[in-house]
Order: sequence, then structure tokens, then C-alpha cells
Amino acid sequence: AQSVTQPDIHITVSEGASLELRCNYSYGATPYLFWYVQSPGQGLQLLLKYFSGDTLVQGIKGFEAEFKRSQSSFNLRKPSVHWSDAAEYFCAVVLSGYALNFGKGTSLLVTP
Amino acid sequence: EAGVAQSPRYKIIEKRQSVAFWCNPISGHATLYWYQQILGQGPKLLIQFQNNGVVDDSQLPKDRFSAERLKGVDSTLKIQPAKLEDSAVYLCASSLNLGGGREAFFGQGTRLTVV
Repeated sequence: AQSVTQPDIHITVSEGASLELRCNYSYGATPYLFWYVQSPGQGLQLLLKYFSGDTLVQGIKGFEAEFKRSQSSFNLRKPSVHWSDAAEYFCAVVLSGYALNFGKGTSLLVTP
Repeated sequence: EAGVAQSPRYKIIEKRQSVAFWCNPISGHATLYWYQQILGQGPKLLIQFQNNGVVDDSQLPKDRFSAERLKGVDSTLKIQPAKLEDSAVYLCASSLNLGGGREAFFGQGTRLTVV
């Protein structure tokens, strides 16, 4: 069965520092992969998605992610974090019925 | 474009009571999802509709949860009777159609507390 693992429950970075959030998936073929962000009291917002083609995908808010088949990973990156990026980040893979299967999430704290 | 609407935003009930949540998807979206998000976890799919038909309800606790989308537009999710472990945020999402690449748009959710 398709599954997603986000190894880091919490990450703290300083404002202006770079960020990388890890995501590993378990799936036989190349999956559809997504990153969503959830701010307190808000719904989930799509940051970016990958289906095929260029393995480096650009998203909103300055985020990017790289698909690495050899490592079964789809890590999210941002070169310079802003205080407003503090939120919960979820990696997700599409299930066979086309619904999203989410990881447990990584909580990002941004310090001054 | 209006987003996915959910109501109520918050609900507190006692265990063994019943509760219902309502969702109105983005206009024209054929696919509708209900997710349960327990504190500290990622959302878990409860049920998926395509128009007014169920695509997947394998993770829906059918002894107490029910959902419907009679006219293929808005949907209700009901819990009867509620248990303490049902305390969670219930998220509704919609997408234009089935398809792995279709973006799902999420509502703000209903936070349920069972006491």
C-alpha cells in the first residue's frame, strides 16, 4: 500500500535560514506527490505537486521540491525562511482511488 | 471563486450524542472527500464521493459514521453516537474530478470536541 513518512515531527529554523523538510514514500510506481501547508485554524493549502517530468518542481511562496526516485524521497526546500512560514507541512501521495494519503506532518517553528 | 464551505466551525457535544457536519464544495467539482484529522496527525480519508456515488469508504467506521451526497453537490457527515476518540477536525475537500493529478481544495474544517 502507498504510504508517506515524514521523519521530522518538529523543526526549528532561524528566520532567513534555509529549510528542508523530508518526505519518503512507499509505492511501486512513480506516484503523484504533493506538499500541503496548514496554518493554525486554516485549511490545507497546496504548495506544489509532482506527477512526472522535471524532478525539481517549483511551488508557491518560494518553495520547491525535488523528486528522487532512487531514494523514494520528495523533500521540500526553501532558501530563506520567513516568520510567516511557521505552520504544519504535510507530504501526501495519491491513493489508487485518487484520494490523498497524508504523512503525519512536520511542524515548523521560525525563530527571530 | 468561492472555496469549500463547511459548517459549523466548532462543535462541542457529550459522548453518545449525535452530530452532523455540512460541506458545500466548489461549484462544478464532481469529487468530494471527508477527512478526519486527529490532533498531531495527518488527515485520514473517511469517504470519497464522485458525484452522488461512493468511491471509497473503506476507512469510515460505519457502525457510527454515515455520509451522504444525495444530489451530487453538498454533503453531510454524521456521527451517531459520538465517542471521545471522535474528537478531531473534520475536513471536507473537493476536486474537479477523479484523477491523480487533480488538486484537492480544502475547507477550513469543523473542530469537534466530544466530552
